[in-house]
Amino acid sequence: DIPMTQSPSSLSASVGDRVTITCRASENVNTYLNWYQQKPGKAPKLLIYSASKLQTGVPSRFSGSGAATQFTLTISSLQPEDFATYYCQQTYTTLWTFGHGTKVEVK
Amino acid sequence: QVQLQESGPGLVKPSQTLSLTCTVSGASISSGGFYWSWIRQLPGQGLEWIGYIHYTGGTFYNPSLKSRLVMSVDTSRNRFSLKLTSVTAADTAVYYCARTVYSDHVRDFDYWGQGTLVTVSS
Repeated sequence: DIPMTQSPSSLSASVGDRVTITCRASENVNTYLNWYQQKPGKAPKLLIYSASKLQTGVPSRFSGSGAATQFTLTISSLQPEDFATYYCQQTYTTLWTFGHGTKVEVK
Repeated sequence: QVQLQESGPGLVKPSQTLSLTCTVSGASISSGGFYWSWIRQLPGQGLEWIGYIHYTGGTFYNPSLKSRLVMSVDTSRNRFSLKLTSVTAADTAVYYCARTVYSDHVRDFDYWGQGTLVTVSS
């Protein structure tokens, strides 16, 4: 399987901040990379698929970029409802794997 | 609106079988282009993909669970199920079902159930 490494594991930010989360794959996953948001006690929610495509209904302040082994999720202007944990996921290999998550907390 | 709902016992004894069902509404489980997955989240930890099933019965199982895992689908009731045998405390987790998009260029979990906590304990 392909381990996915997210950084940072947590960050503190304020409303209005620009937030960037990085996800690295141990080998090339092309653009088979998704981002999910999870709030406490809730299921993950798909934000970005295929590295850069915004899922229907997701605010445009979320964006994704990257290819091969390095990817980023950017929140252009953090909103109160964006405090959550974010996971990347590769779906390139037969066994799909997730990163360990990045928790975005209130500064 | 596609909705998924997990159901099953919240407590399972060690060495017994964990059985869960996911009922789908708002979409037909027999529609092409979609697979149906189980994912789990161990307490305070990340996400682990358990595997998927297609309405035709085709499956993929996570190799780490394959020897203990069986998935099935019931198209007449628009639901799919998971059985995990010989459970231990390490199988204690929140179990999610999810609709799985699987095409040449797009592969993701676009709709999720709310999740159900399964505790393995005597």
